[in-house]
Amino acid sequence: LAKTTQPISMDSYEGQEVNITCSHNNIATNDYITWYQQFPSQGPRFIIQGYKTKVTNEVASLFIPADRKSSTLSLPRVSLSDTAVYYCLVGRFYGNNRLAFGKGNQVVVIP
Amino acid sequence: EAQVTQNPRYLITVTGKKLTVTCSQNMNHEYMSWYRQDPGLGLRQIYYSMNVEVTDKGDVPEGYKVSRKEKRNFPLILESPSPNQTSLYFCASSSRTGAYEQYFGPGTRLTVT
Repeated sequence: LAKTTQPISMDSYEGQEVNITCSHNNIATNDYITWYQQFPSQGPRFIIQGYKTKVTNEVASLFIPADRKSSTLSLPRVSLSDTAVYYCLVGRFYGNNRLAFGKGNQVVVIP
Repeated sequence: EAQVTQNPRYLITVTGKKLTVTCSQNMNHEYMSWYRQDPGLGLRQIYYSMNVEVTDKGDVPEGYKVSRKEKRNFPLILESPSPNQTSLYFCASSSRTGAYEQYFGPGTRLTVT
């Protein structure tokens, strides 16, 4: 079971780019990396998923170095509404689907 | 509208009184899962199901039961609830596996006194 480690919390100013890191040292060859966003009292919401190098969609970018032992979620020009808990998750598309979300990273955007 | 629904959304009960939290999805997803969320502990997986009649334990299965008799439904059963099961519960589903994009329900806040 691939475990993830994230900083507990971080602050950022509105309009800045925010980079949120995740460590997954025991990631397996067939594992993918997925990021979720969660607002208070709501279920998590999928943001982005990747396997290696860089993935970009309309809301975020995901950077994965060659050794894949970590990943960075990048949110461009954050607003107050980006204040949330961000989770990274590592797992594969087949086989054992026991998953470990971890404790997440509380990101607070300051005006 | 594609969605995962949970009922009830809020529940206050007493120790030992059996309860069921229902979860239903309308996306014909094969994979479904239950999580609990507690302050400072993040999301922890309770049980998951890869398809009808196929269920398996997650990280914290003690005190819970599940069943998957139909593809769309995945109820969570607490046969004898205890105060340490007071938590926020989320159901989720995915078209492939849990590592794929999961869709989460709105949550059920359970209090056991």
